[in-house]
Amino acid sequence: KAGVTQTPRYLIKTRGQQVTLSCSPISGHRSVSWYQQTPGQGLQFLFEYFSETQRNKGNFPGRFSGRQFSNSRSEMNVSTLELGDSALYLCASSPGTTTYEQYFGPGTRLTVT
Amino acid sequence: AQSVAQPEDQVNVAEGNPLTVKCTYSVSGNPYLFWYVQYPNRGLQFLLKYITGDNLVKGSYGFEAEFNKSQTSFHLKKPSALVSDSALYFCAVRPHSGAGSYQLTFGKGTKLSVIP
Repeated sequence: KAGVTQTPRYLIKTRGQQVTLSCSPISGHRSVSWYQQTPGQGLQFLFEYFSETQRNKGNFPGRFSGRQFSNSRSEMNVSTLELGDSALYLCASSPGTTTYEQYFGPGTRLTVT
Repeated sequence: AQSVAQPEDQVNVAEGNPLTVKCTYSVSGNPYLFWYVQYPNRGLQFLLKYITGDNLVKGSYGFEAEFNKSQTSFHLKKPSALVSDSALYFCAVRPHSGAGSYQLTFGKGTKLSVIP
């Protein structure tokens, strides 16, 4: 099976712009989660989707949003970018129940200048 | 709310020696526990998990971890370290139920360096 894919892999944006990141889960996986990884804060949970419904959201401002499509692919959007949004954004998929591990994609490296 | 502590930012071990990477957790109710490894500029790779049952869990690449409920710990171990084990290791927890069960809470990570 193909793994989790994320596009683009690298992105450079300017403060105030918005950005959309994409994630394709492993075939058959219905749950997609997003995490932000920074040197200072480590890995922080953004949100999780299952069958197009957001089941949980982390402690991030409303500028961070996401959605999931009927084919389980997911996108996350960050509006009005700030310098502090520079991070590695990781997507993970799993079959859906909590006993399963999550499988991570390679991430999208976002740099905000 | 759940939390994970990895008390050592870095662990150095000589090749061929046993290694231990420590993890303690806090969660309401019973935990699901996971270990992941991250190589430079890569995503996280799953190593092993504890769901229920035997407290000693075996995973990929010869790694194992022991769940200790009384000490709320889930230390990662390997009998003989390889240079290729050098990477960043993350411990993660999620509760069995409740809203937090849909997210993994990670520790800050421990950088393992295996010295030839």
